[in-house]
Amino acid sequence: QVQLVQSGGEVKKPGASVKVSCKTSGYTFTDFGISWVRQAPGQGLEWMGWSTSYNTNTHSAQNFQGRVTMTTDTSTSTGYMELRSLRSDDTAVYYCVRDLAVPNMIFFDYWGQGTLVTVSS
Amino acid sequence: IVLTQSPGTLSLSPGERATLSCRASQSVSGSYLAWYQQKPGQAPRLLIYAASNRAAGIPDRFSGSGSGTDFTLTISRLEPEDFAVYYCQQYGGSLPYTFGQGTKLDIK
Repeated sequence: QVQLVQSGGEVKKPGASVKVSCKTSGYTFTDFGISWVRQAPGQGLEWMGWSTSYNTNTHSAQNFQGRVTMTTDTSTSTGYMELRSLRSDDTAVYYCVRDLAVPNMIFFDYWGQGTLVTVSS
Repeated sequence: IVLTQSPGTLSLSPGERATLSCRASQSVSGSYLAWYQQKPGQAPRLLIYAASNRAAGIPDRFSGSGSGTDFTLTISRLEPEDFAVYYCQQYGGSLPYTFGQGTKLDIK
């Protein structure tokens, strides 16, 4: 069965960076991409960006351009999202979701369990 | 594309019918609109894709309709486990994906 298992929660100070991992199983990793979605406490869902190992292409949302890097490791079927220059309003649950291998768009049928990132001095 | 959901909160009783709305700022290509349910502490769960298709394992009391800029999620007879937050998402055209702000369905 398809699974996306994310790394554990993190506490970071303002200005630091965080890297969240998303280990996948149950499907051919290179046939799909990974999108990242975050949710601040009590708030809605915000798409951050997409990456694929198909051709190492990435696309980030305008709000995160220059601050986020999304990568994939085909040897371990794992996706990574690194967010830099953290601020208190980056405190959120970060989800990985299975996406397409190409930059078209699809509904999100498989989600990771979420990783809480807390930014606090 | 900006998605606006209404109402923000809907208070109903089990057994009642729920109607949730999602309006897009421009036409959603191919009616590529999805609905998700989220319960506290859980990841969102896909309910409906392409406006009206139920995802695998979703009970038939959930139905979706609409096209263009106006979409609706209907829950025909509310069960206790249906009280949650519901989000719409558009995936037509080109990136970025966008979500509505959510409708909270709570018990009256």
